[in-house]
Amino acid sequence: AQKITQTQPGMFVQEKEAVTLDCTYDTSDQSYGLFWYKQPSSGEMIFLIYQGSYDEQNATEGRYSLNFQKARKSANLVISASQLGDSAMYFCAMREGSTGGFKTIFGAGTRLFVKA
Amino acid sequence: DSGVTQTPKHLITATGQRVTLRCSPRSGDLSVYWYQQSLDQGLQFLIQYYNGEERAKGNILERFSAQQFPDLHSELNLSSLELGDSALYFCASSETGLREKLFFGSGTQLSVL
Repeated sequence: AQKITQTQPGMFVQEKEAVTLDCTYDTSDQSYGLFWYKQPSSGEMIFLIYQGSYDEQNATEGRYSLNFQKARKSANLVISASQLGDSAMYFCAMREGSTGGFKTIFGAGTRLFVKA
Repeated sequence: DSGVTQTPKHLITATGQRVTLRCSPRSGDLSVYWYQQSLDQGLQFLIQYYNGEERAKGNILERFSAQQFPDLHSELNLSSLELGDSALYFCASSETGLREKLFFGSGTQLSVL
């Protein structure tokens, strides 16, 4: 069965330092997509980065990169040069399916606190 | 602005009542998804519709139902409400495909008293 696990309920990082948020997933499908979303205290959900299961290169989007280790079924988010505005809840998600229907499931999230 | 519109933003009701949450997807998106986010918890997938048809189902209670109309807007109906149904309910839409990200509405905060 599909499952996303985020084992870090909360993380602290010093401003300007890098931080890694962990995510492992479980699926029997060969084709799937992995996503990270950010939820600031205002509540909206913001897409950060995407990695396809067949993508050979790790995805990068500005200060965000995804450390994809397919054999270990992990998709960790790395935020470089943390900023105060990065303080938020971060969700790892996995999308599976076919033209018959796609389902995106989310992990429990990691709350990141950036210290000045 | 994600382009996904959810109404109402806030809803306060009593146990045993029924409410309807409404969602208009982003222009051109045929898929609509509903999620429930309880306090300090992740997003629980409820249900997905594609072009009017139910396509995927998650942990949706029997007291909950949804539909997608010909104009692609969707409604989530919650009945016989319990205190534990208090949560933030998100609607999201996307294009079709594995690589497609979700565009989320701002959510409906439901409080059952």
